[in-house]
Amino acid sequence: DAGVTQSPTHLIKTRGQQVTLRCSPKSGHDTVSWYQQALGQGPQFIFQYYEEEERQRGNFPDRFSGHQFPNYSSELNVNALLLGDSALYLCASSFHAATGTYEQYFGPGTRLTVT
Amino acid sequence: QKEVEQDPGPLSVPEGAIVSLNCTYSNSAFQYFMWYRQYSRKGPELLMYTYSSGNKEDGRFTAQVDKSSKYISLFIRDSQPSDSATYLCAMITPSGGSYIPTFGRGTSLIVHP
Repeated sequence: DAGVTQSPTHLIKTRGQQVTLRCSPKSGHDTVSWYQQALGQGPQFIFQYYEEEERQRGNFPDRFSGHQFPNYSSELNVNALLLGDSALYLCASSFHAATGTYEQYFGPGTRLTVT
Repeated sequence: QKEVEQDPGPLSVPEGAIVSLNCTYSNSAFQYFMWYRQYSRKGPELLMYTYSSGNKEDGRFTAQVDKSSKYISLFIRDSQPSDSATYLCAMITPSGGSYIPTFGRGTSLIVHP
């Protein structure tokens, strides 16, 4: 049973460019959350998708957008990249109807470097 | 002041030592408390969770919550070099059926042979 997978592993972009990161949830999971983890910091919640809709959003600008597909996989898009967007981007999946949807399973992350 | 405070360390201990990792928080609405382990270049892995004050034990790990002091701890007994990782505490205020954790910055633990 594959866990949460993310692609690509690493990415280098230039300021002003746009980037798309991808996530496939753990088998049986229907909810995907995205987090940004800066070096030496804990993960910061970006947004959560369930039933192909954004259900909750953290304190991130509109440059950050996402999408969830019918197969529950998800994309994170970031436009007009800034140097401060350099971070590890984590995807976490969970089962919405499960008791305690705090049981999230994280992927290995995508390391984004903006130069 | 951040909602969740955690000393970044690093905390260096010899193999076999008892390790104590701690977090303090300011939001009384937090109801769920979790500990994650994150190895270098990996995503966080849920170790333990609890929603009540007191202790919860799982093998070599014990999670402790003191809601009156807004203080949580993770104890690791008989620490091993394989326990070397960053340990993140996280807390949740259930809101509208959605459980979004607020993380501490993590404590780096080094267990040397």
